Amino acid sequence: AQTVTQSQPEMSVQEAETVTLSCTYDTSESDYYLFWYKQPPSRQMILVIRQEAYKQQNATENRFSVNFQKAAKSFSLKISDSQLGDAAMYFCAYRRRNDMRFGAGTRLTVKP
Amino acid sequence: DTEVTQTPKHLVMGMTNKKSLKCEQHMGHRAMYWYKQKAKKPPELMFVYSYEKLSINESVPSRFSPECPNSSLLNLHLHALQPEDSALYLCASSQDPAPTPGANVLTFGAGSRLTVL
Repeated sequence: AQTVTQSQPEMSVQEAETVTLSCTYDTSESDYYLFWYKQPPSRQMILVIRQEAYKQQNATENRFSVNFQKAAKSFSLKISDSQLGDAAMYFCAYRRRNDMRFGAGTRLTVKP
Repeated sequence: DTEVTQTPKHLVMGMTNKKSLKCEQHMGHRAMYWYKQKAKKPPELMFVYSYEKLSINESVPSRFSPECPNSSLLNLHLHALQPEDSALYLCASSQDPAPTPGANVLTFGAGSRLTVL
């Protein structure tokens, strides 16, 4: 079974600064997808960014970017110019076919 | 319409009750999912329907019974639940179950918070 590990239960960042959230995963497959979702107190799971495993180029979405290291099975999320609205629980997720698994999550606090 | 709608938002039930959670999407997605999320924990996969057929059942107790009447609707029937089943139940859908670019993003509903007394 695939496992997803987020080793940082909590992280804190000053507004306008940059923060990196870590994620590692374990799989024997070569074809899969990786995601970062955020879950604010409203409970809605919101897609932040996705990465196809076959793509070497790191995905970027505005202030959000990933560092995807396939050989190391590492998928970290960098948030630049952090905003108060970025405060949420962030989940790293692995998907292959219909099976999607989440890491334990990292709670991000943004200080004004 | 780019939403997954879940009803009810909150549900309180006794251990002898029978109730249902409902999920609806009109995005043409052909895969639908139920996840269970306990407080301060990640979502845990329960069931996956692909083209209205059950494709994944994560050894969920039979007191949870999923149903997919059509490609837009997903139900979770609840019967004889235990207090430890209290949780947030999340429904999600995706465009296509196959690993094709852009088709693998899950869109989530806001969840149904269930309390079992």
